[in-house]
Amino acid sequence: AQSVTQLDSQVPVFEEAPVELRCNYSSSVSVYLFWYVQYPNQGLQLLLKYLSGSTLVKGINGFEAEFNKSQTSFHLRKPSVHISDTAEYFCAVTPNNAGNMLTFGGGTRLMVKP
Amino acid sequence: ETGVTQTPRHLVMGMTNKKSLKCEQHLGHNAMYWYKQSAKKPLELMFVYNFKEQTENNSVPSRFSPECPNSSHLFLHLHTLQPEDSALYLCASSQADRGGTGELFFGEGSRLTVL
Repeated sequence: AQSVTQLDSQVPVFEEAPVELRCNYSSSVSVYLFWYVQYPNQGLQLLLKYLSGSTLVKGINGFEAEFNKSQTSFHLRKPSVHISDTAEYFCAVTPNNAGNMLTFGGGTRLMVKP
Repeated sequence: ETGVTQTPRHLVMGMTNKKSLKCEQHLGHNAMYWYKQSAKKPLELMFVYNFKEQTENNSVPSRFSPECPNSSHLFLHLHTLQPEDSALYLCASSQADRGGTGELFFGEGSRLTVL
Protein backbone atom coordinates (compact mmCIF):
# COMPACT_ATOMS: atom_id res chain seq x y z
CA ALA A 1 0.00 0.00 0.00
CA GLN A 2 1.03 3.59 -0.54
CA SER A 3 0.63 6.66 1.60
CA VAL A 4 1.19 10.36 0.98
CA THR A 5 1.93 13.02 3.57
CA GLN A 6 1.65 16.71 2.83
CA LEU A 7 3.39 18.29 5.74
CA ASP A 8 1.69 21.68 5.62
CA SER A 9 -2.08 22.06 5.61
CA GLN A 10 -1.83 25.78 4.86
CA VAL A 11 0.92 27.92 3.37
CA PRO A 12 0.46 31.70 3.40
CA VAL A 13 2.80 33.63 1.15
CA PHE A 14 3.02 37.12 -0.30
CA GLU A 15 2.61 37.73 -4.00
CA GLU A 16 5.82 37.41 -6.03
CA ALA A 17 7.54 35.43 -3.27
CA PRO A 18 8.83 31.89 -3.88
CA VAL A 19 6.96 28.92 -2.45
CA GLU A 20 7.59 25.24 -1.77
CA LEU A 21 4.84 22.78 -0.95
CA ARG A 22 6.14 19.62 0.62
CA CYS A 23 5.14 16.06 -0.18
CA ASN A 24 6.53 12.80 1.16
CA TYR A 25 5.35 9.35 0.25
CA SER A 26 5.86 5.75 1.26
CA SER A 27 5.66 2.76 -1.00
CA SER A 28 7.22 -0.68 -1.26
CA VAL A 29 7.15 -0.53 -5.07
CA SER A 30 8.13 1.99 -7.71
CA VAL A 31 5.61 4.76 -8.13
CA TYR A 32 4.46 7.52 -10.39
CA LEU A 33 4.03 10.90 -8.67
CA PHE A 34 1.64 13.75 -9.33
CA TRP A 35 0.56 17.17 -8.24
CA TYR A 36 -3.02 18.24 -8.80
CA VAL A 37 -4.51 21.70 -8.17
CA GLN A 38 -8.06 22.52 -7.12
CA TYR A 39 -9.25 26.08 -7.55
CA PRO A 40 -12.28 27.21 -5.49
CA ASN A 41 -15.52 25.51 -6.52
CA GLN A 42 -13.79 23.42 -9.17
CA GLY A 43 -12.58 19.89 -9.63
CA LEU A 44 -8.94 18.82 -9.60
CA GLN A 45 -6.62 19.56 -12.52
CA LEU A 46 -3.27 17.91 -13.24
CA LEU A 47 -0.37 20.28 -12.60
CA LEU A 48 2.54 17.95 -13.36
CA LYS A 49 3.67 14.34 -13.12
CA TYR A 50 6.80 12.26 -12.74
CA LEU A 51 6.86 8.92 -14.52
CA SER A 52 10.57 8.34 -15.18
CA GLY A 53 13.70 10.07 -16.45
CA SER A 54 14.75 13.52 -15.27
CA THR A 55 13.90 14.05 -11.64
CA LEU A 56 13.00 17.69 -12.23
CA VAL A 57 9.64 18.03 -13.91
CA LYS A 58 7.97 21.18 -15.11
CA GLY A 59 4.25 21.72 -15.14
CA ILE A 60 1.68 24.32 -16.02
CA ASN A 61 1.55 27.85 -14.61
CA GLY A 62 5.30 27.96 -13.87
CA PHE A 63 5.31 25.17 -11.28
CA GLU A 64 7.99 22.51 -11.05
CA ALA A 65 8.69 19.57 -8.78
CA GLU A 66 11.70 17.43 -7.98
CA PHE A 67 11.58 13.71 -7.31
CA ASN A 68 14.02 12.62 -4.62
CA LYS A 69 14.00 8.85 -4.33
CA SER A 70 16.32 8.63 -1.34
CA GLN A 71 14.16 11.04 0.64
CA THR A 72 10.91 9.74 -0.85
CA SER A 73 9.87 13.29 -1.55
CA PHE A 74 8.25 15.18 -4.40
CA HIS A 75 8.15 18.83 -3.37
CA LEU A 76 6.40 21.42 -5.53
CA ARG A 77 7.99 24.82 -6.13
CA LYS A 78 7.32 28.08 -7.87
CA PRO A 79 9.84 30.96 -7.90
CA SER A 80 7.25 33.75 -7.88
CA VAL A 81 3.59 33.24 -7.03
CA HIS A 82 0.55 35.21 -8.16
CA ILE A 83 -2.75 35.88 -6.48
CA SER A 84 -4.31 33.51 -9.00
CA ASP A 85 -2.24 30.62 -7.59
CA THR A 86 -4.42 30.61 -4.47
CA ALA A 87 -5.84 27.10 -4.44
CA GLU A 88 -5.62 23.67 -2.80
CA TYR A 89 -2.73 21.51 -4.00
CA PHE A 90 -2.76 17.72 -3.79
CA CYS A 91 0.16 15.35 -4.09
CA ALA A 92 -0.66 11.83 -5.29
CA VAL A 93 1.09 8.55 -6.03
CA THR A 94 0.28 5.33 -7.81
CA PRO A 95 2.28 2.14 -8.26
CA ASN A 96 3.76 2.21 -11.72
CA ASN A 97 1.95 -1.00 -12.59
CA ALA A 98 -1.41 0.32 -11.42
CA GLY A 99 -1.69 3.36 -13.65
CA ASN A 100 -4.50 5.51 -12.46
CA MET A 101 -5.25 4.10 -8.99
CA LEU A 102 -4.12 7.24 -7.19
CA THR A 103 -3.58 7.72 -3.47
CA PHE A 104 -3.86 11.39 -2.51
CA GLY A 105 -2.34 13.40 0.28
CA GLY A 106 -4.44 15.57 2.54
CA GLY A 107 -3.84 18.72 0.50
CA THR A 108 -2.09 22.03 1.11
CA ARG A 109 -4.00 25.27 0.87
CA LEU A 110 -1.80 27.93 -0.73
CA MET A 111 -2.94 31.42 0.20
CA VAL A 112 -1.26 34.19 -1.77
CA LYS A 113 -1.59 37.62 -0.21
CA PRO A 114 -1.12 40.97 -1.97
CA GLU B 1 -17.93 23.21 -21.31
CA THR B 2 -15.70 20.94 -19.27
CA GLY B 3 -14.85 17.42 -20.40
CA VAL B 4 -16.49 15.91 -17.32
CA THR B 5 -19.89 17.22 -16.27
CA GLN B 6 -21.54 16.51 -12.94
CA THR B 7 -25.15 17.18 -11.93
CA PRO B 8 -26.51 18.41 -9.69
CA ARG B 9 -23.83 20.77 -8.40
CA HIS B 10 -25.57 21.02 -5.04
CA LEU B 11 -27.93 18.59 -3.32
CA VAL B 12 -29.61 18.69 0.07
CA MET B 13 -31.39 15.55 1.20
CA GLY B 14 -32.88 13.99 4.27
CA MET B 15 -31.70 10.71 5.66
CA THR B 16 -34.69 8.83 4.26
CA ASN B 17 -34.53 10.27 0.73
CA LYS B 18 -33.33 8.55 -2.41
CA LYS B 19 -31.38 10.66 -4.87
CA SER B 20 -28.80 10.17 -7.60
CA LEU B 21 -25.69 11.96 -8.74
CA LYS B 22 -24.88 11.95 -12.44
CA CYS B 23 -21.57 12.20 -14.26
CA GLU B 24 -20.96 12.41 -18.00
CA GLN B 25 -17.62 12.52 -19.78
CA HIS B 26 -17.11 13.79 -23.31
CA LEU B 27 -13.46 12.76 -23.63
CA GLY B 28 -13.77 9.28 -25.10
CA HIS B 29 -12.30 7.71 -21.98
CA ASN B 30 -12.83 4.12 -20.87
CA ALA B 31 -12.53 4.43 -17.09
CA MET B 32 -14.62 6.45 -14.64
CA TYR B 33 -14.25 7.03 -10.92
CA TRP B 34 -16.15 8.32 -7.90
CA TYR B 35 -14.16 10.10 -5.20
CA LYS B 36 -15.38 11.52 -1.89
CA GLN B 37 -13.81 14.76 -0.65
CA SER B 38 -14.55 15.58 2.98
CA ALA B 39 -13.23 18.49 4.97
CA LYS B 40 -9.84 17.81 6.57
CA LYS B 41 -9.53 14.35 4.97
CA PRO B 42 -7.68 13.11 1.88
CA LEU B 43 -9.67 12.31 -1.22
CA GLU B 44 -11.15 8.84 -0.88
CA LEU B 45 -11.53 6.61 -3.91
CA MET B 46 -14.97 5.01 -3.80
CA PHE B 47 -15.56 3.16 -7.06
CA VAL B 48 -13.80 2.51 -10.35
CA TYR B 49 -15.35 1.36 -13.60
CA ASN B 50 -13.32 0.24 -16.60
CA PHE B 51 -15.20 -0.42 -19.84
CA LYS B 52 -18.44 -0.35 -17.81
CA GLU B 53 -17.26 -3.06 -15.44
CA GLN B 54 -16.66 -2.27 -11.80
CA THR B 55 -13.02 -2.95 -10.99
CA GLU B 56 -12.76 -1.35 -7.57
CA ASN B 57 -15.07 -0.96 -4.59
CA ASN B 58 -13.14 0.61 -1.80
CA SER B 59 -15.20 -0.79 1.10
CA VAL B 60 -17.98 1.69 0.47
CA PRO B 61 -21.22 1.24 2.48
CA SER B 62 -24.12 -0.22 0.54
CA ARG B 63 -26.14 3.00 0.93
CA PHE B 64 -23.98 4.19 -1.99
CA SER B 65 -24.79 2.30 -5.18
CA PRO B 66 -22.92 3.05 -8.41
CA GLU B 67 -24.18 2.42 -11.91
CA CYS B 68 -22.27 2.66 -15.18
CA PRO B 69 -24.56 2.04 -18.16
CA ASN B 70 -21.85 2.92 -20.70
CA SER B 71 -18.33 4.32 -20.81
CA SER B 72 -19.59 7.90 -20.91
CA HIS B 73 -22.02 7.90 -17.99
CA LEU B 74 -21.67 7.15 -14.31
CA PHE B 75 -24.26 7.44 -11.57
CA LEU B 76 -24.11 7.30 -7.81
CA HIS B 77 -27.42 6.32 -6.25
CA LEU B 78 -27.89 7.50 -2.69
CA HIS B 79 -30.25 5.93 -0.15
CA THR B 80 -30.64 6.25 3.62
CA LEU B 81 -27.56 8.41 3.99
CA GLN B 82 -26.08 9.68 7.24
CA PRO B 83 -25.04 13.27 8.08
CA GLU B 84 -21.37 12.17 7.96
CA ASP B 85 -21.89 11.40 4.26
CA SER B 86 -22.08 15.13 3.60
CA ALA B 87 -19.16 15.91 1.30
CA LEU B 88 -18.10 16.90 -2.19
CA TYR B 89 -18.43 13.94 -4.54
CA LEU B 90 -16.06 14.12 -7.47
CA CYS B 91 -16.31 12.17 -10.67
CA ALA B 92 -13.25 11.58 -12.82
CA SER B 93 -12.38 9.79 -16.03
CA SER B 94 -9.23 8.50 -17.71
CA GLN B 95 -8.15 6.40 -20.65
CA ALA B 96 -7.99 3.24 -18.52
CA ASP B 97 -7.87 2.35 -14.85
CA ARG B 98 -4.57 0.47 -15.07
CA GLY B 99 -1.61 0.80 -17.37
CA GLY B 100 -2.26 4.49 -17.63
CA THR B 101 -0.10 7.40 -16.54
CA GLY B 102 -2.20 8.86 -13.77
CA GLU B 103 -3.91 11.70 -15.55
CA LEU B 104 -7.44 11.86 -14.28
CA PHE B 105 -9.89 14.45 -15.57
CA PHE B 106 -12.23 15.65 -12.85
CA GLY B 107 -15.67 17.19 -12.88
CA GLU B 108 -16.49 20.14 -10.67
CA GLY B 109 -18.18 17.96 -8.09
CA SER B 110 -21.57 17.58 -6.47
CA ARG B 111 -21.82 19.15 -3.02
CA LEU B 112 -24.04 16.87 -0.92
CA THR B 113 -25.56 17.89 2.39
CA VAL B 114 -27.44 15.28 4.42
CA LEU B 115 -29.77 16.67 7.06
